Amino acid sequence: AAGVIQSPRHLIKEKRETATLKCYPIPRHDTVYWYQQGPGQDPQFLISFYEKMQSDKGSIPDRFSAQQFSDYHSELNMSSLELGDSALYFCASSPGGQGGDTQYFGPGTRLTVL
Amino acid sequence: GQNIDQPTEMTATEGAIVQINCTYQTSGFNGLFWYQQHAGEAPTFLSYNVLDGLEEKGRFSSFLSRSKGYSYLLLKELQMKDSASYLCAGFTGGGNKLTFGTGTQLKVEL
Repeated sequence: AAGVIQSPRHLIKEKRETATLKCYPIPRHDTVYWYQQGPGQDPQFLISFYEKMQSDKGSIPDRFSAQQFSDYHSELNMSSLELGDSALYFCASSPGGQGGDTQYFGPGTRLTVL
Repeated sequence: GQNIDQPTEMTATEGAIVQINCTYQTSGFNGLFWYQQHAGEAPTFLSYNVLDGLEEKGRFSSFLSRSKGYSYLLLKELQMKDSASYLCAGFTGGGNKLTFGTGTQLKVEL
């Protein structure tokens, strides 16, 4: 079965640079979620989209923005990168925006900021 | 508040049964998910409870008591590959975001 696809899988950036992470949800899933997981920590919710509209917002810095496109893929744009942004970034998708829909996670993008 | 608490580490023997507990403040969530995560990999969905009671899926079962803010994941016939972190996650209505617990690192030994 098709899974969530994330690209790139690994990314190395310098401080103050920008980065764009991409997420392609499971086919026919219309809801996308972004999570950040620092070393030794649990995943922290950043933002979600349902039918191309932002549906919820968590602890996402103002330096980050995201959107969902007409084909339901999503991009997380990160600017003015800081050392503390180094983390695993997971995208998850679900078949609907209702409470209790199972979220399926992609393999993640490992971002390293030097 | 929406704090979710789990034991940090557990050790169990191959072939045995282990129960991983998760407690949360009852005002927060509409239901609980359990995920398995190997180091550096994506969380993998295991089980989900929105109603009180036990949900069984093969070697994995999950229990929820909403009035007590308590859930557990039961793993039977433990295998070495079950060594991983187990994450309890509550979801809220509306946006459906998941709030994860601290995770329990399970080590399965011979």
